[in-house]
Amino acid sequence: DQQVKQNSPSLSVQEGRISILNCDYTNSMFDYFLWYKKYPAEGPTFLISISSIKDKNEDGRFTVFLNKSAKHLSLHIVPSQPGDSAVYFCAAGSEKLTFGTGTRLTIIP
Amino acid sequence: NAGVTQTPKFQVLKTGQSMTLQCAQDMNHEYMSWYRQDPGMGLRLIHYSVGAGITDQGEVPNGYNVSRSTTEDFPLRLLSAAPSQTSVYFCASSYVSAANYGYTFGSGTRLTVV
Repeated sequence: DQQVKQNSPSLSVQEGRISILNCDYTNSMFDYFLWYKKYPAEGPTFLISISSIKDKNEDGRFTVFLNKSAKHLSLHIVPSQPGDSAVYFCAAGSEKLTFGTGTRLTIIP
Repeated sequence: NAGVTQTPKFQVLKTGQSMTLQCAQDMNHEYMSWYRQDPGMGLRLIHYSVGAGITDQGEVPNGYNVSRSTTEDFPLRLLSAAPSQTSVYFCASSYVSAANYGYTFGSGTRLTVV
């Protein structure tokens, strides 16, 4: 039973436009939700997180939205840049995390 | 400040061999964990620890042992390697507080079992 799902394996977005990555979860007990970016041959890099008591968190070009009633999490990147091309993982939990399967984002120059 | 250090970066084992993947953190984090990443799948939790002397199983613990004798170190042992354990392994350390949350990954160990 996959508790954290990323239903889009890939996404292509024009440079300068908004990238929206989505994530759904089933466990209402998760305390924190996080987004990670991963380049090939590197470890995941933390991007942004949100506590279950909030519905929005911003950090520069990155905004995470949490809809608890729908059990849905999204990451908005505005404006998208070529360096944003990577695999993005959402994760949920607290001291241990459950990860989605990832979405490969490609920014088209 | 090195963060999370994993060694080795690459390893080839023969079926049945044993080895230990090392993980060390210098951030004084309470929590440490091991994940494996396979093609087309997200990171799956193998084992985790909420403090020195305390470990627990994750989603895919079979074939792996861990121990946590110090806050800094969390080694992962493969007792008898199998080709199904060919994967990229990531160690992470983390903290959770009422106001904040931090989770840092190492750069990974690519293991091939032949």
